[in-house]
Amino acid sequence: GAVVSQHPSWVICKSGTSVKIECRSLDFQATTMFWYRQFPKQSLMLMATSNEGSKATYEQGVEKDKFLINHASLTLSTLTVTSAHPEDSSFYICSARANFGQGAFTDTQYFGPGTRLTVL
Amino acid sequence: SQKIEQNSEALNIQEGKTATLTCNYTNYSPAYLQWYRQDPGRGPVFLLLIRENEKEKRKERLKVTFDTTLKQSLFHITASQPADSATYLCALDSSGGYNKLIFGAGTRLAVHP
Repeated sequence: GAVVSQHPSWVICKSGTSVKIECRSLDFQATTMFWYRQFPKQSLMLMATSNEGSKATYEQGVEKDKFLINHASLTLSTLTVTSAHPEDSSFYICSARANFGQGAFTDTQYFGPGTRLTVL
Repeated sequence: SQKIEQNSEALNIQEGKTATLTCNYTNYSPAYLQWYRQDPGRGPVFLLLIRENEKEKRKERLKVTFDTTLKQSLFHITASQPADSATYLCALDSSGGYNKLIFGAGTRLAVHP
């Protein structure tokens, strides 16, 4: 149980285009999802917290207009990298907390397999 | 300033030995600390969670300790196997239990036959 998928697993795009990454919880509901990015040999850096039905909370230094997050359902959050540039090339990973209802959540986060974005 | 530190150098051990990885933190008071395994090009996989009022947690060949006075967690893999080779990340809750995780840079473990 507690499987999180991401799509696509990798994407190559031209500079200036926008790319959408989907994060889905397959067998549980996730009112809260998280988006991270990871550069080679570095740790995961939290970009934003995505809450179903409300605006995402962005970490300091992350441009909300560049990294658009939409959490329209209990099982899907999307990250859109707008007007991508080569410096946006990175490994983007989402995670989700499982919602057991009645205000109960897991403290563990279940991670997706990641999306490798390369901007040419 | 707030920091989470893991040994950035790779840990090389012989198969069958116990691997011990360290996670130190400063200027945090985490409600819990977690350990994840990450293989190259993949997302992290949850291994163990230990809360601030727990000293030790075990799961099969894994053991985690948590010393809130020393601000340190140790992660042990006993009877290590080559399949245990991966990067191990520690992560702590930086938001008083609201699950905003801050990750260390990870320690790469290589278990040699």
